[in-house]
Parts: sequence; structure tokens; C-alpha cells
Amino acid sequence: DQQVKQNSPSLSVQEGRISILNCDYTNSMFDYFLWYKKYPAEGPTFLISISSIKDKNEDGRFTVFLNKSAKHLSLHIVPSQPGDSAVYFCAANTQGGSEKLVFGKGTKLTVNP
Amino acid sequence: DTAVSQTPKYLVTQMGNDKSIKCEQNLGHDTMYWYKQDSKKFLKIMFSYNNKELIINETVPNRFSPKSPDKAHLNLHINSLELGDSAVYFCASSHHGTSGNTIYFGEGSWLTVV
Repeated sequence: DQQVKQNSPSLSVQEGRISILNCDYTNSMFDYFLWYKKYPAEGPTFLISISSIKDKNEDGRFTVFLNKSAKHLSLHIVPSQPGDSAVYFCAANTQGGSEKLVFGKGTKLTVNP
Repeated sequence: DTAVSQTPKYLVTQMGNDKSIKCEQNLGHDTMYWYKQDSKKFLKIMFSYNNKELIINETVPNRFSPKSPDKAHLNLHINSLELGDSAVYFCASSHHGTSGNTIYFGEGSWLTVV
């Protein structure tokens, strides 16, 4: 029972172009969403988050969009850089309640020089 | 300074052994976690402690026993290791009850049971 789904296991883009990573969720109780980035042999590191009261949050080259009606969020990276090559995990939880983050399976992004 | 540190990073051990993974955080957080990433790459919560008190215990075999001596430490002890326990175990921490829940992870402990 995957409550958070990342249907693309991998994505390859050219340096300088936009990377779009997608995530879908099924639990309508989720109201806080996060993206984590993970390099090999390291732990996930927090990248950006969004509350369900917003539909967009931007931080530098990274923007997360949330479409609550579609239960869909996406992470845009522009311009993409080779150092962005990593596995990106989408995660969700409920504010002020459960301490439990539910993760997607991850999407491996490769940015080619 | 590493915010969430766990040791050992790599551990190879035989079936039936007992092993421990230690975790410490210096972020001043009051909540700590153990997550497991299995061979299918799913990252799933195992346990969560808030102020040394167990608050989440996801259907994990009794062979796994977390211990939190204080808010800054959460150790994971595994008895009678099985082949299926081979995975990457991540320690993490956060503030309890803050808006949203940004969790900070350690670098992971790669456990291989042979």
C-alpha cells in the first residue's frame, strides 16, 4: 500500500535544462510535503517543503508545486547542474500529529554535462 | 560537526549474531527515529522516540530493540540477525510538533548479514 508514489525510477536531463520530478499521493490526510535528495553512501538531506495551504514554494533553483485536487506534486530544478545528480525522494506527513514521514521510492536524476 | 551521526557505517556479520548501531544528534532535537531502506529502496520508519519515550513502533520484529538513554541518543540493538535484516539503517531527528516535520538524517549504517 504505497501512499506516496514516484512512478519514474530514473530521469536524465542535459545540464542547463529543467528537471521535473513527479510525485503522487493517495492519503488525503497528508498536509505537508517534502523533497529529500540523496547521494550514494550518504543519508537523505532535506531540500524543500510545502504546506498544503500553498500551491508553490520556491528556493533558488528549486520549486515545488502542489496540486491538491490531483494529489500531485512536482519538483522543478532549473537550470539543472551535474551536481544535482542524485536520488530524489518525495515524502509526506500530517502537521501537528504523526511524526511519521511516508516516503516514495525515489527517482534517480542524472544531469549530463 | 556532523548533526546526526551513527556508527558503524558498515557492518558485516553472521546470521544469529547480536549487533548494535549507535546514533547521536547534536541538533537539540527532542525526537529521534530509525528508518530502514530495504533492497527495494523503500525508506520506512521503524521507531520514533520523543524525549526518550517510544511514540512510534511500526510492525517490527521483537528482535529489534531501540534504546534511548537521553534525548540526544537512540541506539538500535538487533538480536539473532537474519539474512533479511540486511539493509541500510538510517537514524534521524527532528523537533516534535513543529510546523511540518523536517527530519534530518544520519549517513546510514549498511548492515550485511551473511
